Amino acid sequence: AQKITQTQPGMFVQEKEAVTLDCTYDTSDQSYGLFWYKQPSSGEMIFLIYQGSYDEQNATEGRYSLNFQKARKSANLVISASQLGDSAMYFCAMREGRFDSARQLTFGSGTQLTVLP
Amino acid sequence: KAGVTQTPRYLIKTRGQQVTLSCSPISGHRSVSWYQQTPGQGLQFLFEYFSETQRNKGNFPGRFSGRQFSNSRSEMNVSTLELGDSALYLCASSFDSYGYTFGSGTRLTVV
Repeated sequence: AQKITQTQPGMFVQEKEAVTLDCTYDTSDQSYGLFWYKQPSSGEMIFLIYQGSYDEQNATEGRYSLNFQKARKSANLVISASQLGDSAMYFCAMREGRFDSARQLTFGSGTQLTVLP
Repeated sequence: KAGVTQTPRYLIKTRGQQVTLSCSPISGHRSVSWYQQTPGQGLQFLFEYFSETQRNKGNFPGRFSGRQFSNSRSEMNVSTLELGDSALYLCASSFDSYGYTFGSGTRLTVV
């Protein structure tokens, strides 16, 4: 079974509007972490936001927020007020296990976001 | 502070050759992990090093190997290159597993 599922291969959003990128995950661990990364065409993976499994509040970082629904095992990324520079591939990733023992990220297949002027 | 530095950025090699890629982590980060990104398989974990020891390894053949030096810099080596090894190779450094900072990657083309 896929550990991280991103069901939207491509998304379009109008500039200044909000957009939600979906991510569901599968793990039997109680302790895990969820990450979102942005990858522009240059290739670098840029960290956006992190949510720990025990965090009760949804994570926010500027225009990025993570809609964490633990029972549904979903961790959707919300980008508010989209900008042209937000056009990129977005990856959801999971680190299973405790932070002091987990040593790898498992990535989803990504969502290509295009912001339209 | 300086980010994660990967060299070279681009590389073209011939089938059967070997290649070595380098990754310099953020100062103070002792964990370095490597990922392969291809259009078909997506992002896949190769291995992770911490204090010069390989702690975790992904499901890749033995042609893929790596090492880490005392200054935390890491190298990965691919021997007997195949066309399917063409990929973007990304390295990530971490102080703890709350945050992974990636480099810009090395784009390897095997012809």
